[in-house]
Amino acid sequence: NAGVTQTPKFRVLKTGQSMTLLCAQDMNHEYMYWYRQDPGMGLRLIHYSVGEGTTAKGEVPDGYNVSRLKKQNFLLGLESAAPSQTSVYFCASATGNQPQHFGDGTRLSIL
Amino acid sequence: GQNIDQPTEMTATEGAIVQINCTYQTSGFNGLFWYQQHAGEAPTFLSYNVLDGLEEKGRFSSFLSRSKGYSYLLLKELQMKDSASYLCAVRERDYKLSFGAGTTVTVRA
Repeated sequence: NAGVTQTPKFRVLKTGQSMTLLCAQDMNHEYMYWYRQDPGMGLRLIHYSVGEGTTAKGEVPDGYNVSRLKKQNFLLGLESAAPSQTSVYFCASATGNQPQHFGDGTRLSIL
Repeated sequence: GQNIDQPTEMTATEGAIVQINCTYQTSGFNGLFWYQQHAGEAPTFLSYNVLDGLEEKGRFSSFLSRSKGYSYLLLKELQMKDSASYLCAVRERDYKLSFGAGTTVTVRA
């Protein structure tokens, strides 16, 4: 059982570079979420999706874009990376009233 | 949005009991979750409360009072492996979760 899979697990970028983080879930969940986690600040919601083809902004959406072209995939894009986006990124998925299931995270450093 | 408060750190002895409090202010409450997160790992689900009262799951229990905007997670018979961060999260009616900053629990021998 794969659950929620995030790729890549680690990445180092230079300021101004772009990249896409991929989240895939095999549980047929409707809802998917992208969070960032920084020391002392807990998990903050970047963007989320309540179904295929739909996305919405969370608490800290600036500098990020997302797409949900297929139900099982939720992509997070950084168009022009900034040092302030150095963080650990978690993807999660859920269905109905059930708890969210989290991926193992992507550790992103921007120099 | 949400305002969720929980203590930053707690320390307890192996075999003891620890209670982690969480207070929240919300515009649309649809359930409260507790997650456990070991260092360098993903959060994992511990418990869920949507109605007032106590939910018990083995050594872990969680309590909710919606009128007071208050919950606690009770960890009994502490073990070294319980050393982790514990996250309180409130769900809104649109299925978003808002997380507190987390409480780091250190269990000492």
